[in-house]
Amino acid sequence: QVQLQESGPGLVKPSETLSLTCAVSGYSISSDYYWGWIRQPPGKGLEWIGSIYHSGSTYYNPSLKSRVTISVDTSKNHFSLKLSSVTAADTAVYYCARGTHGSVVSAEVWGKGTTVTVSS
Amino acid sequence: QSVLTQPPSVSGAPGQRVTISCTGSSSNIGAGYDVHWYQQLPGTAPKLLIYGNSNRPSGVPDRFSGSKSGTSASLAITGLQAEDEADYYCQSYDSRLSGLFGGGTKLTVL
Repeated sequence: QVQLQESGPGLVKPSETLSLTCAVSGYSISSDYYWGWIRQPPGKGLEWIGSIYHSGSTYYNPSLKSRVTISVDTSKNHFSLKLSSVTAADTAVYYCARGTHGSVVSAEVWGKGTTVTVSS
Repeated sequence: QSVLTQPPSVSGAPGQRVTISCTGSSSNIGAGYDVHWYQQLPGTAPKLLIYGNSNRPSGVPDRFSGSKSGTSASLAITGLQAEDEADYYCQSYDSRLSGLFGGGTKLTVL
């Protein structure tokens, strides 16, 4: 079955760039679906960050768009998130997910999440 | 305050039926965009309960159902069980704001 696994630094300094990768197993990213990132600050609700199709087509949350880049590497069957100029407000659990068929924003299969703390 | 409005909390006794509302606007739910619902147990990743307004993924019990009307959507849970105690989130697409989640609703099983 499809499995997703986030990886990346758990601690990022303010003003630096947060970089995470989501490795996909059990399904080829090149086949179909949108692949997205969602985050959850401590004790708060979910926030949709953005998503990407294997063709490279992307959708971003307008509130983060100026700082976010989502990319896909079909040869490695993974996709990535870069968030620049981070502040403490970017501290959160970051999830990667695969959408439902035809949906840009939904998330049917989730990774377990990775905690990223922004602190000096 | 979220663009998709959910009640902060709902509660019900075992066996009862509860509903969770998700109120949007003409730029999201009212524009015809699909609504999705998620359940999040403490310390775990969210789980998709309902997609495309009323469809259940494989493995989700039929005690969970979704509906949509106008600018609002609802999640109904029948035959409430202790294991249903969790946070529930609605989600949709907005023509101005792209992906949106509601603020979340904490369900307490009394």
